[in-house]
Amino acid sequence: SQQGEEDPQALSIQEGENATMNCSYKTSINNLQWYRQNSGRGLVHLILIRSNEREKHSGRLRVTLDTSKKSSSLLITASRAADTASYFCLTVQGAQKLVFGQGTRLTINP
Amino acid sequence: DGGITQSPKYLFRKEGQNVTLSCEQNLNHDAMYWYRQDPGQGLRLIYYSQIVNDFQKGDIAEGYSVSREKKESFPLTVTSAQKNPTAFYLCASRANEDQPQHFGDGTRLSIL
Repeated sequence: SQQGEEDPQALSIQEGENATMNCSYKTSINNLQWYRQNSGRGLVHLILIRSNEREKHSGRLRVTLDTSKKSSSLLITASRAADTASYFCLTVQGAQKLVFGQGTRLTINP
Repeated sequence: DGGITQSPKYLFRKEGQNVTLSCEQNLNHDAMYWYRQDPGQGLRLIYYSQIVNDFQKGDIAEGYSVSREKKESFPLTVTSAQKNPTAFYLCASRANEDQPQHFGDGTRLSIL
């Protein structure tokens, strides 16, 4: 299996519920980033968490990082229809090693 | 507003033809990247450049070529050696390894 694996691959929830997606990796990292991609568009950066940080918040987003387990999670609270998108984690090891996960397709049902 | 511009949005290639995808940024970023995305998949790194006149192969460089003659521009050529070029191509840039990447809106390449 490769660096930056995400689960679940797809997630469907009702509007207003919380959505949690996970990212696991294999080697040490400098930082881990989460991105959102709407269908047919480029990626939009959400949160960057450094290896010495454990949790970061941005609005309705919360990211945690557990370097001992080599895993990160992205929590979206009080989901909205506009949150429907694919979400990717990116692990960064120095300047030259950047690896994206396969992504989680999130669908928010009204 | 600063950002990354990719053109064209849609591109079609005939068999045996080379095509060039454009990527321009006005963010004053040193590093630029090209990724390939297949349907329902994550992004795979094709080439990257950390400074003008220098670039490195990524994980799937075969059949592609790049140049970095100007800081603002990082064009990608899909050569006839790339046997399965149909994909969504994304260009990105970043200021340094501790900063996030900024992405363009992508170019969708198809084979006629």
